[in-house]
Formats: sequence, C-alpha cells, structure tokens
Amino acid sequence: AQSVSQHNHHVILSEAASLELGCNYSYGGTVNLFWYVQYPGQHLQLLLKYFSGDPLVKGIKGFEAEFIKSKFSFNLRKPSVQWSDTAEYFCAVNQAGTALIFGKGTTLSVSS
Amino acid sequence: SQTIHQWPATLVQPVGSPLSLECTVEGTSNPNLYWYRQAAGRGLQLLFYSVGIGQISSEVPQNLSASRPQDRQFILSSKKLLLSDSGFYLCAWRTQGATEAFFGQGTRLTVV
Repeated sequence: AQSVSQHNHHVILSEAASLELGCNYSYGGTVNLFWYVQYPGQHLQLLLKYFSGDPLVKGIKGFEAEFIKSKFSFNLRKPSVQWSDTAEYFCAVNQAGTALIFGKGTTLSVSS
Repeated sequence: SQTIHQWPATLVQPVGSPLSLECTVEGTSNPNLYWYRQAAGRGLQLLFYSVGIGQISSEVPQNLSASRPQDRQFILSSKKLLLSDSGFYLCAWRTQGATEAFFGQGTRLTVV
C-alpha cells in the first residue's frame, strides 16, 4: 500500500539550530511531493513542492527540501530555525489525479 | 480568488448524536473536494474525495459518510457519532488536473 513516513514525531531545537525533518514514501512511478505546515491556530498551508526538474526545491521562509529518488525521500531542511518556525509539519505525496496522502506529521518546537 | 469555508470551527457532540460538517469553495468550478481527519498521533487521514456532484469515493470504511449536493459544497455526516470520531476534520479542494491542494480552517470535533 502507498504510504508516507515521517521519522520524527516531535523535534525540539534552540533558535539558530539547523533543522532536518525526514520523509520517506512508498510509491511506484512518478510522484509529486509536498511539505505542508500548520502554525498554531492557523490552517494548513503549503511550504514547498516538487513536481519535476531540480531535486532541490526552495520554499517560503528559508525552507528547502531535496528529492532523492533512489532513497524515496524528500527531507525538509532549514539552516537556522527561528522561534516562529514552531509548528506542525506534514509531508505529503500524490500521483497525477490522485488525492494527497500525508505522513503523521512532525511537531517542531523552537525555544528562544 | 478562490476561498474555502469550513464550519463550524469547533463542535462538541454527545455519543450517538448526528453530525453535519459543511465545506464550500468559492471562485472555482468543478473542483476535486476532500475530507481529511487528523487524529492525535495519526497524522492526516484521507476519508472521502469527490471529483464531481454526487460522486463520492470512500477511502476508509467507518461511521461517516459524505455527500456533494452542489458543485462547490461538500458535506461530512454521521447518523450516530462514536467517541473515536473525535478529531480535527479538514476540507480541501484542488483544481482538476492540478497537483496542489488548498485546505480549510478545520473543525475540531469532540465527542463526549
């Protein structure tokens, strides 16, 4: 069955620390990959996405993610986190014409 | 511009009572519509999706049902709520043929 795995349930960092959140998927064929973020009290919003081309994609607020096809991975990174990055992060995958399938999410807590 | 409305924002219902959550989309026509549930520790689970009026696909067999009486209206229902129906319900839409989905504000349902 198709699935998306996020390795970290809860990550706690200090401001200025580097961040990497893992995401692996089990799909055959061509996939579209997404990272969504949900800030406290706000709705789910798109952080970045990969459809094709350069496997290193840059999103909003200094986030980036790298698609490594051989590892079925799409890890999210940020060199230096801020307190305002405290949120829940979801990796999602779909194929053409299908619904998004999400991972279980990672809660990021950043202390100032 | 396109907008998505979901209501109510919070709901507390007794076990055995009925449920109706409504989602409407503005500014687009013939969207794909989705209901997701976010339960504690389980991430975002796809419940139903619809590609057109009256067309509903169920991803997870359970106590819930969905209907699409109009092009831009998607309703999540239950005849008798269970405690396990508690969670955060999100409606989403996507333009047919596009890959990015947009989410509503969500409904926090607590069954007591």
